Amino acid sequence: KAGVTQTPRYLIKTRGQQVTLSCSPISGHRSVSWYQQTPGQGLQFLFEYFSETQRNKGNFPGRFSGRQFSNSRSEMNVSTLELGDSALYLCASSLERGGASSPLHFGNGTRLTVT
Amino acid sequence: AQSVTQPDIHITVSEGASLELRCNYSYGATPYLFWYVQSPGQGLQLLLKYFSGDTLVQGIKGFEAEFKRSQSSFNLRKPSVHWSDAAEYFCAVGPGGNKLVFGAGTILRVKS
Repeated sequence: KAGVTQTPRYLIKTRGQQVTLSCSPISGHRSVSWYQQTPGQGLQFLFEYFSETQRNKGNFPGRFSGRQFSNSRSEMNVSTLELGDSALYLCASSLERGGASSPLHFGNGTRLTVT
Repeated sequence: AQSVTQPDIHITVSEGASLELRCNYSYGATPYLFWYVQSPGQGLQLLLKYFSGDTLVQGIKGFEAEFKRSQSSFNLRKPSVHWSDAAEYFCAVGPGGNKLVFGAGTILRVKS
């Protein structure tokens, strides 16, 4: 079974631009979550989607948004990029809404560099 | 608020030696606890998880972890480290759902 697939693998953008990252979950997984990983702040939860609805949101500004499609694929968008948005963005999927019986499976991430 | 502390930023062990990575958490109820491993340029791989039951849990790659409620700890152990275990290890806590709180990570170096 294929794992979580994130595209693109690398992105370079300029301040002020916007970017869209894509995530395809493991087949059959209905929940998709997004995390930001930076050297300074570590791994931080962005948001969780389940059945096309945002179920949970982390403490990030409104410039960060996401959506989930009927096939469970998800996208996240960052508008008006700032230098501090440079990070590894990780997508994770789970069968249901998570917990010990339905742990998160992570993709290899999209490395975003903002110049 | 939930929090996870991994006191050791870096640990170096010799190949074949035993390993213990420390994790302390702060959470108001019985948490879900996880250990993940991340190799350079890769995502996170789940090593093991704990929710209830036996406090000693077995994971993949020969790792185990012990939940100690009295100490709010969930330390990861391996009896004999292999060079391929060199990576960064993250402890995480969650209430269920997918909003996990991660520790800062411990970088494991293995010397031959």
